[in-house]
Amino acid sequence: AQRVTQPEKLLSVFKGAPVELKCNYSYSGSPELFWYVQYSRQRLQLLLRHISRESIKGFTADLNKGETSFHLKKPFAQEEDSAMYYCALSGRAGSYQLTFGKGTKLSVIP
Amino acid sequence: DVKVTQSSRYLVKRTGEKVFLECVQDMDHENMFWYRQDPGLGLRLIYFSYDVKMKEKGDIPEGYSVSREKKERFSLILESASTNQTSMYLCASSLLSGVQETQYFGPGTRLLVL
Repeated sequence: AQRVTQPEKLLSVFKGAPVELKCNYSYSGSPELFWYVQYSRQRLQLLLRHISRESIKGFTADLNKGETSFHLKKPFAQEEDSAMYYCALSGRAGSYQLTFGKGTKLSVIP
Repeated sequence: DVKVTQSSRYLVKRTGEKVFLECVQDMDHENMFWYRQDPGLGLRLIYFSYDVKMKEKGDIPEGYSVSREKKERFSLILESASTNQTSMYLCASSLLSGVQETQYFGPGTRLLVL
């Protein structure tokens, strides 16, 4: 079975401080991993996906297969980063399903 | 720009009522999904569909059914609503392709079952 674990329900950081949202996964094959974000009163949307190896809004995430992790990082947090963040995994071949973690609420303190 | 719309933002129903949640997407996406979102539990997949009239159970299908008669529309049905189905329901759609495509979400329907 595939599983996504986000160990922190809530993460509070000061503006300008580095941010790391943790995500660990369990999957025996080669996974595709994603971060989705939901800002207050907005719909859930894709932030980034590991296969693109891109930086979005200053966030990056590196897939570490050895540690089965896909942590989301940003060097300097901004107030507008406050949101709910979900890590998601697609693993089963030919499947279009995503397995989501339980989410981490990021609060950036001014 | 992909648009996924849901018929209601808020619904209040009584226990035992039959409830229909509608979702429409305008980007000709093959895949459509229904999730429920609960605090501390994240998103859990209820059902999904990869083609008209096709459906697959997700992780928590019990108490729900779905209907996809047209490509753009995916309905979630609660045959007999119960209080433990009070939740936020999210619809999503994506392209059918060889790799996992981005899922585009609707604004959600907050359902309260009394």
